[in-house]
Amino acid sequence: ILNVEQSPQSLHVQEGDSTNFTCSFPSSNFYALHWYRWETAKSPEALFVMTLNGDEKKKGRISATLNTKEGYSYLYIKGSQPEDSATYLCAFNGHGGSQGNLIFGKGTKLSVKP
Amino acid sequence: KAGVTQTPRYLIKTRGQQVTLSCSPISGHRSVSWYQQTPGQGLQFLFEYFSETQRNKGNFPGRFSGRQFSNSRSEMNVSTLELGDSALYLCASSLGLLFSYEQYFGPGTRLTVT
Repeated sequence: ILNVEQSPQSLHVQEGDSTNFTCSFPSSNFYALHWYRWETAKSPEALFVMTLNGDEKKKGRISATLNTKEGYSYLYIKGSQPEDSATYLCAFNGHGGSQGNLIFGKGTKLSVKP
Repeated sequence: KAGVTQTPRYLIKTRGQQVTLSCSPISGHRSVSWYQQTPGQGLQFLFEYFSETQRNKGNFPGRFSGRQFSNSRSEMNVSTLELGDSALYLCASSLGLLFSYEQYFGPGTRLTVT
């Protein structure tokens, strides 16, 4: 059974703080890793699709790195703002028996206080 | 550019009935994928359709099925509804297969099974 773990489960930071969280996934048979942001009462928003070991992606103040050999990805938010408050989800797709499936983590819920 | 639309937005069904949900992708997008979100299981991938063919599939029973039409619109059907099928059903569209392309989510259909 494939497992995608995200930590921490929740995070409370002050406006202006920089923060990061982790997504751990199986290190074998990697194909792609997705990051999403899901704000309350809205639809999920895709942030990044990462496919290569060593990938680094950036969108505004949010960036992500990928290490497929050790099976983890970090998401960084620089200078958090209240509008960054959301649940951040990662999802893993692997080859072989899991090819074709997208396994989601439980998410990291971020709250940014003004 | 119009976003992804889903109909209906809310639905109440009785156990044992069947239901069909509809998803219209962003114009030009050829892939539509479906997801189920429940408090207990989180977000789970159901399946993806691309060019009218199912390309990828999650771990759901055969009661969950879908199809895609030549205009890329997609429908998802759940037969013999169970109480546990109560969930938010999301669809997302992308230019190409979801494991390589950014997805855009619709607002979801909230299904309640009584």
